[in-house]
Amino acid sequence: GENVEQHPSTLSVQEGDSAVIKCTYSDSASNYFPWYKQELGKGPQLIIDIRSNVGEKKDQRIAVTLNKTAKHFSLHITETQPEDSAVYFCAAPPNTGTASKLTFGTGTRLQVTL
Amino acid sequence: KAGVTQTPRYLIKTRGQQVTLSCSPISGHRSVSWYQQTPGQGLQFLFEYFSETQRNKGNFPGRFSGRQFSNSRSEMNVSTLELGDSALYLCASSFGQYTGELFFGEGSRLTVL
Repeated sequence: GENVEQHPSTLSVQEGDSAVIKCTYSDSASNYFPWYKQELGKGPQLIIDIRSNVGEKKDQRIAVTLNKTAKHFSLHITETQPEDSAVYFCAAPPNTGTASKLTFGTGTRLQVTL
Repeated sequence: KAGVTQTPRYLIKTRGQQVTLSCSPISGHRSVSWYQQTPGQGLQFLFEYFSETQRNKGNFPGRFSGRQFSNSRSEMNVSTLELGDSALYLCASSFGQYTGELFFGEGSRLTVL
């Protein structure tokens, strides 16, 4: 099955700095890579996703890059703000077609300090 | 538009008991997935239902089961509870099986004593 590794497990940045979280996956047939943000006491929320036919996608301060050859994808957050503090998860589905059976990374706890 | 609703939000059970958790998906969503979240194992896929049929199943013992009703609402059941079943159980809905975005509820936190 799919194996997803995520680094770092914790990340502390100052407000205004950039944060980068990296993930690798094992199934070369995976074609959909979402990133979720989980705030305390809440369920994960999709913040950005990318499909295998593109190498980069941006949405305001958030961007995701994908390197299919190396089987890794990264989340980039620029101009971080205190409200960005949360746990971030990357994920990938198996190559069975369904996007609901996700294998999640172990999470990155991001702390944005003033 | 109402989000994914899970009930109950918190519950405490003892070993050997069983529990049923409920999930109401976003209106119009036909796919419901369940995940278990624990500090040690992280987020793990339990099963997915679409049109009242289980479409995918994760690597959990048969004590974990679920079902989906004709209105897309779903329930999951855990029988013969063990201490290790203590976790946050998350339900997620999506419009279809292949549409990508999962919308998660806030979860049901189960504590087994």
